[in-house]
Amino acid sequence: ETGVTQTPRHLVMGMTNKKSLKCEQHLGHNAMYWYKQSAKKPLELMFVYNFKEQTENNSVPSRFSPECPNSSHLFLHLHTLQPEDSALYLCASSQALGDFDYGYTFGSGTRLTVV
Amino acid sequence: GQNIDQPTEMTATEGAIVQINCTYQTSGFNGLFWYQQHAGEAPTFLSYNVLDGLEEKGRFSSFLSRSKGYSYLLLKELQMKDSASYLCAVKDSNYQLIWGAGTKLIIKP
Repeated sequence: ETGVTQTPRHLVMGMTNKKSLKCEQHLGHNAMYWYKQSAKKPLELMFVYNFKEQTENNSVPSRFSPECPNSSHLFLHLHTLQPEDSALYLCASSQALGDFDYGYTFGSGTRLTVV
Repeated sequence: GQNIDQPTEMTATEGAIVQINCTYQTSGFNGLFWYQQHAGEAPTFLSYNVLDGLEEKGRFSSFLSRSKGYSYLLLKELQMKDSASYLCAVKDSNYQLIWGAGTKLIIKP
C-alpha cells in the first residue's frame, strides 16, 4: 500500500459507456497527477492539479474529463472512449508542484479495456 | 524534442550484477529519477540524482553524468524479486518529468 489508492483496479467498458476512475491519497500531498501508461511507451502525463486547481491539460481529448474536489481526491470521467484508449491509468501525488525531490507516489493503477 | 532512451528488455542471472543505462536529451536538467514497477503494481521510487557521481542504497546504486546526459542503475546480488520494469525519468527546466519507456528486467535462476 503506497498511500495512493485507485479504484477500480480493472475496468472493461464499451465505447458508448460512461465510467469514472477514482484516486485517493492519504499523504497530505497538494499536487495530483493522471498518467496513461501503454505497453512499451513512456508514461504520458494527462492532467495536473495543484491545490485542487488544474494547472496542466496535456492536449488530452475531451472524452477524458478530470475532477478534483479536494486535495485528497481525483477523478477521471470517461465517455465515448476508443479502443486505443485501452491502457493502464496511473494516479500520482507529490508534496507540491515541481517539488518532488523524493519522487512521486503512485497508485497501482486502473487497467482499462475499451471494447 | 525531449527524449529518454533506455533498453527495452534485459536478462540477468540470480546472484549476478546488472547495469541498466539511461541517456537523455532534455531542455534543462533538475534531477534524474529511477523507479521500479512490478507487473500490475504501482511504480515505486528508487533513487534521485541531481549531482554527478554515484549514489549507493543497499544493493542498488545510481550513477549520473550530466555532461554526458547519462545515468545507470546498478543492481547487485540479484534476486528473483528484482524482476520488474525500471523507469528512468528526468526533471526538465520547467520541473516537468520526462519519462523513458522503461526497461523490463528478467531474472533467471
